[in-house]
Parts: sequence; C-alpha cells; structure tokens
Amino acid sequence: DSGVTQTPKHLITATGQRVTLRCSPRSGDLSVYWYQQSLDQGLQFLIQYYNGEERAKGNILERFSAQQFPDLHSELNLSSLELGDSALYFCASSVSPQGYYEQYFGPGTRLTVT
Amino acid sequence: QKEVEQDPGPLSVPEGAIVSLNCTYSNSAFQYFMWYRQYSRKGPELLMYTYSSGNKEDGRFTAQVDKSSKYISLFIRDSQPSDSATYLCAMSDSGGSNYKLTFGKGTLLTVNP
Repeated sequence: DSGVTQTPKHLITATGQRVTLRCSPRSGDLSVYWYQQSLDQGLQFLIQYYNGEERAKGNILERFSAQQFPDLHSELNLSSLELGDSALYFCASSVSPQGYYEQYFGPGTRLTVT
Repeated sequence: QKEVEQDPGPLSVPEGAIVSLNCTYSNSAFQYFMWYRQYSRKGPELLMYTYSSGNKEDGRFTAQVDKSSKYISLFIRDSQPSDSATYLCAMSDSGGSNYKLTFGKGTLLTVNP
C-alpha cells in the first residue's frame, strides 16, 4: 500500500458526461501528479500540482482540468467524455516538486465511457 | 520516433531464470532512470532508480544505464513467480521546472513455477 488513495475505483458513464476523480496524497506529500494509462498510449503524464499550484502540464486535453485543494487532496475533472477517454487514471504523490523518481502511485480509477 | 521504446513482450520464463528487460530512448537530456513494477489492476510501484550512467544493484535486481547508447536495462536474478508483472521503464530530465516522467509502454513478464 503506497499511502495514496483514489476514489472511485471504477466509474462507468456515458459519452458527453462529466466526472470527477479524487486523489488523496501520502501524508506529508505536497506534490500530486495525474496520469492516464491506456493500452494504446501507455502511461501518460497529464498534470502536476505542488502545494495548491499547477507545476507542470503534460498531454492533458482542454476538456480535462484539475486542482489541488488546501488540504492537498486533488481532483481531476473530465468533461464532454468520449469513448477514447476510457482508461485507467492514476494519481501519484511526492514530497518535493522535483518528484522525478520518488513518485508513489495510487491504485487508480478505471473509467469506462459507453 | 517515440521518446521511450520498450518491447511489450509478453516474456515468459521458468522460475529461477535470469530476466533481462530493456528500454531505448531518444532524448539525450534524460538524466534520471527508473523501473516500476505494476501488478495487474494495481498502481505502479518504484523498483529502482538510477541517476546518469552506471549500474545499481538491489537484491535480485540490477539496473544498468548506458547513456552513450541511450539504452537501459533491468536484470532480475533467480526470478520468482511473484515477479510476474508488467515492468515499466521511466525517465526524466532535470531541465527547468518540468519534472514529468516519460514511461515506456511496459513489458509483461510471466515467471512459471
């Protein structure tokens, strides 16, 4: 158990809908990262927050947004969902903003868009 | 050309075998190299981390980085059925404020008892 929690575990929704994925980092970790994992693309970095502020952006679509709250939990919002958004979404956390090796991953949220 | 290439396998070996997993990359700015293990329906967990070139050993696992060839390897000695998982290589540079990890697609390993 990495100490990173994600809810929900599974999410099934229809195209065009909006969903929110939630992540709680390990105790003491200030940095949160979001990743998308699909069979086609593998694990892709989406976005990083550090202590409430956006730190780095990766291959995140404009339909997706995220934020980190004062209690350091983070939410990833996915809107106007398409079939291709079906994937595993992972959150990771680290103590420092330079988390290039010390990232601890949560168990993921499996999103199915029908 | 993808930044990180990794043979997806699957790779099937008998228990006790030496396993070699590899990744190649194209971005010469990569300085940090990691191997993650991902069991089915779980999140990736960090196995090994190496900075720049060289070898690093941890128990049955050895990570090697050859920056001149842009090639990294993970060796597993005396492989066990519990090693059956997908192994992901990951890399990062230290440029600017972007510390994102770039992952290979992963190699599925099965160790047969």
